[in-house]
Amino acid sequence: DAGVTQSPTHLIKTRGQHVTLRCSPISGHKSVSWYQQVLGQGPQFIFQYYEKEERGRGNFPDRFSARQFPNYSSELNVNALLLGDSALYLCASSLIAHSYEQYFGPGTRLTVT
Amino acid sequence: AQSVTQLGSHVSVSEGALVLLRCNYSSSVPPYLFWYVQYPNQGLQLLLKYTTGATLVKGINGFEAEFKKSETSFHLTKPSAHMSDAAEYFCAVSSPSGGSYIPTFGRGTSLIVHP
Repeated sequence: DAGVTQSPTHLIKTRGQHVTLRCSPISGHKSVSWYQQVLGQGPQFIFQYYEKEERGRGNFPDRFSARQFPNYSSELNVNALLLGDSALYLCASSLIAHSYEQYFGPGTRLTVT
Repeated sequence: AQSVTQLGSHVSVSEGALVLLRCNYSSSVPPYLFWYVQYPNQGLQLLLKYTTGATLVKGINGFEAEFKKSETSFHLTKPSAHMSDAAEYFCAVSSPSGGSYIPTFGRGTSLIVHP
């Protein structure tokens, strides 16, 4: 079975632009969470979605938004990119929202210049 | 509130030596504790977890960790390091009984293994 997949693998954007990152969860998993991992730090929670509804939000500005589709895939959108948004963005899927069993994808490396 | 402190951003060992990566947590309710490993340019892989029950937990690749409530610690050990263990290791805590399954991660410890 395929694991969590994310696209694209790498992305380079300039300040002020917007970006969309995509995630497909493990088949059968209905919850997707997004994390930001800045170089040299641990992942920071951004959003959790379950059954297309937002179930949790971390301490990130409104420039960050996400959604989940009927097939449980998800998009993370970031507007008005700043240099500080450069990071590895990780997606994790789980069967349900209230589960500690999360499976991480390989991430999307975003570089903002 | 929950938090994790990983002591030492880098740990260097010789191949065959004991690996000890330190993790201390803070949680107002009984915690769930995790260790994840991250190889270069990859996502996180769960090594082991403590939820309830036995305080010594065994994980993949020969790693184990012991939950010590009195010391609020969850240190990761491996008796004999392999070159392939070189990676970034993250300790994480969540508090399901407090309503939060979302893990809080430490800053990570880079394990360097010398031949």
